[in-house]
Amino acid sequence: DQQVKQNSPSLSVQEGRISILNCDYTNSMFDYFLWYKKYPAEGPTFLISISSIKDKNEDGRFTVFLNKSAKHLSLHIVPSQPGDSAVYFCAACSPGNQFYFGTGTSLTVIP
Amino acid sequence: ETGVTQTPRHLVMGMTNKKSLKCEQHLGHNAMYWYKQSAKKPLELMFVYSLEERVENNSVPSRFSPECPNSSHLFLHLHTLQPEDSALYLCASSQAHGYTEAFFGQGTRLTVV
Repeated sequence: DQQVKQNSPSLSVQEGRISILNCDYTNSMFDYFLWYKKYPAEGPTFLISISSIKDKNEDGRFTVFLNKSAKHLSLHIVPSQPGDSAVYFCAACSPGNQFYFGTGTSLTVIP
Repeated sequence: ETGVTQTPRHLVMGMTNKKSLKCEQHLGHNAMYWYKQSAKKPLELMFVYSLEERVENNSVPSRFSPECPNSSHLFLHLHTLQPEDSALYLCASSQAHGYTEAFFGQGTRLTVV
């Protein structure tokens, strides 16, 4: 059973607008979350993380929001740029355990 | 050269072949990982090595055999694979096992025929 879910396999957004990528998890013990970005023919690269003591973490155009009660995580990219077009994976872990990844959301930013 | 390097980038092998995937990290990290990515599935953790000791083996069939000769190198030895083993195999490393982000290699695209 998947513990981390990304229910939208794809998302298209106009350049300059906001991209919102969503992630849900089932394990209430998860307390550290990450987002990775993956271009074709490359490995995933770390983008941003958040621990459960926070509900928001911001890094430039990227902001991750955590709603623990809803077991929901989201990544906001604003403004979106064509270079942001990639597959985005969320991942979660609990103390002493492995990371569990979602299936990814393919973002296309239209110029 | 920096980061995590995987070779080969592409591999086609028959079900009776024996081959090895190689991973090298130049980041001074203490933990290394093998992941499998199949189409439309989440990344699946296969093995974890921390300080050259295997700390996790996620019920991976014995036809996959990892080897970590030192903290910078990780191998995945393959033998008598099945077509359903065709996937992207990703190596990653992190400063420590646990709450640190992993740095991934570019992956080996494996096709078993």
